[in-house]
Amino acid sequence: GAVVSQHPSWVICKSGTSVKIECRSLDFQATTMFWYRQFPKQSLMLMATSNEGSKATYEQGVEKDKFLINHASLTLSTLTVTSAHPEDSSFYICSARGLAGFNEQFFGPGTRLTVL
Amino acid sequence: GQNIDQPTEMTATEGAIVQINCTYQTSGFNGLFWYQQHAGEAPTFLSYNVLDGLEEKGRFSSFLSRSKGYSYLLLKELQMKDSASYLCAVLDSNYQLIWGAGTKLIIKP
Repeated sequence: GAVVSQHPSWVICKSGTSVKIECRSLDFQATTMFWYRQFPKQSLMLMATSNEGSKATYEQGVEKDKFLINHASLTLSTLTVTSAHPEDSSFYICSARGLAGFNEQFFGPGTRLTVL
Repeated sequence: GQNIDQPTEMTATEGAIVQINCTYQTSGFNGLFWYQQHAGEAPTFLSYNVLDGLEEKGRFSSFLSRSKGYSYLLLKELQMKDSASYLCAVLDSNYQLIWGAGTKLIIKP
């Protein structure tokens, strides 16, 4: 159990376009989902925390108008990178925390974004 | 501020034992996680400690001392596939995960 999926696995886009990444909890309800970004050879950096039905809480330095997060249901959260630029190229990973498993986060497989 | 320290890189030999240390200073403590991350992949859960002591799970064991703000991950009978980064993360008083920078473990034949 506790499977989290992400789609797409990788995406290449032109500078200036927007990209949407989906994160789904497949076999449990996720009250809270987390979005991370990881640059090569660096640790995970938390971008934002989203709770179902409410606005996401963004970490300091993360532009909320650029990285739009929607957590519309207990099984789906989306991250939209708006007007993407080459410096946004990174590995984006979501994780989910369920109702019962209060402490553990389950990670999706990640999305590799390359902006040309 | 909150801080988690772990070595940047370690090297070990196939079949041997390696211990990866993690020290932390956080606002509150609700448990410590160890994750394994292979290059280009998302982290996978290895262990969770919230009480002092040793938790053993196959070839991997994790130890916690809350009074010392210290944990270690012990890997036995190392295999080449264990080459990966190992991430230490602490759940703080707000139930937010605070991540260490990770330890890159290199296994040599």
